Amino acid sequence: DTAVSQTPKYLVTQMGNDKSIKCEQNLGHDTMYWYKQDSKKFLKIMFSYNNKELIINETVPNRFSPKSPDKAHLNLHINSLELGDSAVYFCASSTGRGYTFGSGTRLTVV
Amino acid sequence: QKEVEQDPGPLSVPEGAIVSLNCTYSNSAFQYFMWYRQYSRKGPELLMYTYSSGNKEDGRFTAQVDKSSKYISLFIRDSQPSDSATYLCAMMVSNSGYALNFGKGTSLLVTP
Repeated sequence: DTAVSQTPKYLVTQMGNDKSIKCEQNLGHDTMYWYKQDSKKFLKIMFSYNNKELIINETVPNRFSPKSPDKAHLNLHINSLELGDSAVYFCASSTGRGYTFGSGTRLTVV
Repeated sequence: QKEVEQDPGPLSVPEGAIVSLNCTYSNSAFQYFMWYRQYSRKGPELLMYTYSSGNKEDGRFTAQVDKSSKYISLFIRDSQPSDSATYLCAMMVSNSGYALNFGKGTSLLVTP
């Protein structure tokens, strides 16, 4: 069983579109995250939720909106996609130590 | 200046060599230090997790933390081709909502 699963794995879309990425974890962790990995492989936190409550909201355009319907799920909705949004987006969960990451969603905006 | 600095490499070593990977940091509030391994087109996976200064060993891997110098290292003994990956250091402040601050990663290639 996959511990942190995110869908889709690949997403190719045109500028201006709206898209969503879904994430689910079956580890029973209270905290979930979205990280962005740019073309230079640098990983940077975007959002963190603890038990459905937003606790970290880094400097991210408000076109990005996370939603956590329950503590096992954290989705990411992106409005009006731009070329610069192209990256790999990773979902992760943790108990506060050592994260478990999903395998990533490779978003390409054309 | 980024909070966490890591030489991106690439680093190429022959099979069986000892590999040394390093990160420096500027934020003295960092308390937790981790090393992650990331294979191509995969998510990072946790290798080592340390809290205090000193050494921690797990199989062929040894993590070192020197808080006075703001310097952490990962040593890989008897390196194998399967160790070829990108190694990311990560650090955390305890009251930060567990947000990780990553280095840029070092690309390692172990040749047979």
